[in-house]
Amino acid sequence: SAVISQKPSRDICQRGTSLTIQCQVDSQVTMMFWYRQQPGQSLTLIATANQGSEATYESGFVIDKFPISRPNLTFSTLTVSNMSPEDSSIYLCSVVVAGRATEAFFGQGTRLTVV
Amino acid sequence: SQKIEQNSEALNIQEGKTATLTCNYTNYSPAYLQWYRQDPGRGPVFLLLIRENEKEKRKERLKVTFDTTLKQSLFHITASQPADSATYLCALDSGGYNKLIFGAGTRLAVHP
Repeated sequence: SAVISQKPSRDICQRGTSLTIQCQVDSQVTMMFWYRQQPGQSLTLIATANQGSEATYESGFVIDKFPISRPNLTFSTLTVSNMSPEDSSIYLCSVVVAGRATEAFFGQGTRLTVV
Repeated sequence: SQKIEQNSEALNIQEGKTATLTCNYTNYSPAYLQWYRQDPGRGPVFLLLIRENEKEKRKERLKVTFDTTLKQSLFHITASQPADSATYLCALDSGGYNKLIFGAGTRLAVHP
């Protein structure tokens, strides 16, 4: 399995500011993803975090709004830029561990409230 | 576009009964389907995976079926317990490498 440390666990931010969320994994991972879970809704994939290169974004998500870094195999950051109340959501890091390709592991999530 | 539907209404059952949750999908032919459990304030936790060539999969009190003709999966919890109360999510791989599309989830409440 994999232990995923996601920080911060929650934050309240002013509109117009940015927040960077960190995801650290204790195992060798092959893939890292970032999801968003809006209140009362299911998870929506934001992007695939690629090691050493630009992330691959899903339709509706852009790099300027959600810049992502992945400098090594076990660490990634997601920044939510120029926040508005509509960005209030839970953001989750997910990984696929080497040797367990058909199972996704999730961090506990970052609960973001924008005021 | 690809769509996954789960019963959005909460499912309330009595302890000891079997809970059955439904997942339907359209415009997709997944190689496998997964079920996750999510507790409040936590990330989803993987429960079971069933492949397209499998009809049924079991793990302890859990059973999953997969009908690729109906484009439907059923998730059963037998001898349910209050500790089984959670939201259960169905997920499909959208492009390999476990890049997942999730259903909205069904909230299960098991009453003593």
